[in-house]
Amino acid sequence: AQSVTQLDSHVSVSEGTPVLLRCNYSSSYSPSLFWYVQHPNKGLQLLLKYTSAATLVKGINGFEAEFKKSETSFHLTKPSAHMSDAAEYFCVVSAFYGGATNKLIFGTGTLLAVQP
Amino acid sequence: GAVVSQHPSWVICKSGTSVKIECRSLDFQATTMFWYRQFPKQSLMLMATSNEGSKATYEQGVEKDKFLINHASLTLSTLTVTSAHPEDSSFYICSARASLRTSGRFGYEQYFGPGTRLTVT
Repeated sequence: AQSVTQLDSHVSVSEGTPVLLRCNYSSSYSPSLFWYVQHPNKGLQLLLKYTSAATLVKGINGFEAEFKKSETSFHLTKPSAHMSDAAEYFCVVSAFYGGATNKLIFGTGTLLAVQP
Repeated sequence: GAVVSQHPSWVICKSGTSVKIECRSLDFQATTMFWYRQFPKQSLMLMATSNEGSKATYEQGVEKDKFLINHASLTLSTLTVTSAHPEDSSFYICSARASLRTSGRFGYEQYFGPGTRLTVT
């Protein structure tokens, strides 16, 4: 069965400093992994996606993530945090049940706070 | 880009009544839509997969007679919470699965609606 574990429920950084949000996954298959961001009272927006191509994935808004099979990790990073990055971030794995419909399994989320 | 809307954005209803939530893909067709529930400060939990023209597939533990899903067209899925109770109060989020052509850069992708906050009194 597929699952994801987000190691930190809260992360606080200062504006302009690097961001690291940690995620470990478990999957019986070669997984598809995603990072989504959710701003307060808003829907989810896809930041980036890994689908067995390049292990270093670049997303929107300067975010990137590296797929490390040996560590079963897919950590999200950004070199310099902006105030607008403050939000909830979800690491997600796609569970393949056969056919065309893949289910998304969400981690518990990491709340990123950015201090001025 | 692909946009998904939900209506209403928030609703308050009395215990025992039913509430319908709409999910629309505005600029693309979606044969598959998903319904999630998110309790405060918790993650999203998949409730059911909605397929156009066929019955929805419910996750274990989700009552199909309580959460009625209809996916009558390629751009609309509805979730009806029947005989709502206070414990049904939650943030309900839908997503629509776009095809490779629509998703472009990210290939197959689920686009999420802004959510509907349901409060049952």
